[in-house]
Amino acid sequence: NAGVTQTPKFQVLKTGQSMTLQCAQDMNHNSMYWYRQDPGMGLRLIYYSASEGTTDKGEVPNGYNVSRLNKREFSLRLESAAPSQTSVYFCASSEAFGGNYGYTFGSGTRLTVV
Amino acid sequence: TQLLEQSPQFLSIQEGENLTVYCNSSSVFSSLQWYRQEPGEGPVLLVTVVTGGEVKKLKRLTFQFGDARKDSSLHITAAQPGDTGLYLCADNTNAGKSTFGDGTTLTVKP
Repeated sequence: NAGVTQTPKFQVLKTGQSMTLQCAQDMNHNSMYWYRQDPGMGLRLIYYSASEGTTDKGEVPNGYNVSRLNKREFSLRLESAAPSQTSVYFCASSEAFGGNYGYTFGSGTRLTVV
Repeated sequence: TQLLEQSPQFLSIQEGENLTVYCNSSSVFSSLQWYRQEPGEGPVLLVTVVTGGEVKKLKRLTFQFGDARKDSSLHITAAQPGDTGLYLCADNTNAGKSTFGDGTTLTVKP
C-alpha cells in the first residue's frame, strides 16, 4: 500500500543547479499534481496532469517544468534553482481530475536552495 | 480564485478538551474537503462535504458545511495528543485546481 512515493526526501542545491523531483503512484489514478508548501502560504499548485499525456500550469509555474512519463510517474524539474524555490514539495494524485475525488499526497521533498 | 480563511491560525489545548476550527470564504464552495497533516508528512484526506447544511462524523470529529456553502467547521471532542497536526480545508470550485487554506496548527498537550 505505497500510495504516492516521492524521491528524494531531502535535497540541498546551490543557486543555478538543476534537479528533478520524482513521483510515482501505484493506485491507477488518472490525475497527478505538484504543490509547494511554504510557511503561512498553504499549498500552492505548480503544475498538474489531468490525464496521461497532458500537463498544465497551476498557480505558480514559473521556474519549473514537468513530465508525465506514464500513468504512474510525474516528475518536476527545476532548471536553474533559486533561493525562492526553497520549499517543501508535494506530489499528489486523484482518481480523476477535480478535487471532489480527494487527493492522495506523498510525504514530500524538502528542498533548500543556498 | 477562491480565497479561504482558516481560523484560528494556532490552537494549543490540553488533552480532553473540545475545540472547533473554521474555514470561511466570500464565495460559494462547490465542495469542500478537510485534510490533516502531521509533521514531516503529506496531508491526509479526512472528509468531503458537498451539500449545504451537511454534517459528517468521523469518530470524535464532526464536520459541518454551512447552509449557504460559504463556511465549514471541524469540531473535535475530547482531543487527544494524536490529533496534533495542521488542519487544512480545500475548495474544489476552480475546475480541479483546488485552493487550500493556510491551515490551523493544533497542538494537544498530554
